[in-house]
Amino acid sequence: DTEVTQTPKHLVMGMTNKKSLKCEQHMGHRAMYWYKQKAKKPPELMFVYSYEKLSINESVPSRFSPECPNSSLLNLHLHALQPEDSALYLCASHGGPLTGGEQFFGPGTRLTVL
Amino acid sequence: DQQVKQNSPSLSVQEGRISILNCDYTNSMFDYFLWYKKYPAEGPTFLISISSIKDKNEDGRFTVFLNKSAKHLSLHIVPSQPGDSAVYFCAAFKYQGAQKLVFGQGTRLTINP
Repeated sequence: DTEVTQTPKHLVMGMTNKKSLKCEQHMGHRAMYWYKQKAKKPPELMFVYSYEKLSINESVPSRFSPECPNSSLLNLHLHALQPEDSALYLCASHGGPLTGGEQFFGPGTRLTVL
Repeated sequence: DQQVKQNSPSLSVQEGRISILNCDYTNSMFDYFLWYKKYPAEGPTFLISISSIKDKNEDGRFTVFLNKSAKHLSLHIVPSQPGDSAVYFCAAFKYQGAQKLVFGQGTRLTINP
């Protein structure tokens, strides 16, 4: 199973809402990532979890709150977002030092903030 | 400081011909270089990678060449097919430190029938 799954596929939320994005992988990967991608731009790293611990926060605003409940799951909790946060949110996983740097990406969640 | 650069925002190639996508980097400490293909509203799909100790890697229609002295890599697609039309991202990876992918800005490839 070389798949990373993400739910929901689409999400529309108001600026006062609280919502969560979910990501799951069953490849035994111990590094998981959240990226944000705007149109015509490369993916922009937000957070990295390594062995279920947050190892990198790329100065992301606190209205984005990541969580790694176990080695297969990664959540991104959203609260009080702004319209400019509308983007494609991508989850990825990486197999570690014995692999070639390849990250497997999920299909993404298309988020629209009204 | 953009460590990975794709200087061509777009490329148009006739079906059946060779597509060559280029990428330059500035950091000689990268361990791997990767190419991803992306369709709109989908996650990037891994295509092919190359270790920094090699100069060529081939997988079917896709070949990646690495020129370390020039800090340059290229992706060759032969023969090009309509389904290859997508945005291609070059990325670099270093094991030490953050272990994160550093992406180029992408090149939109269009294959014309």
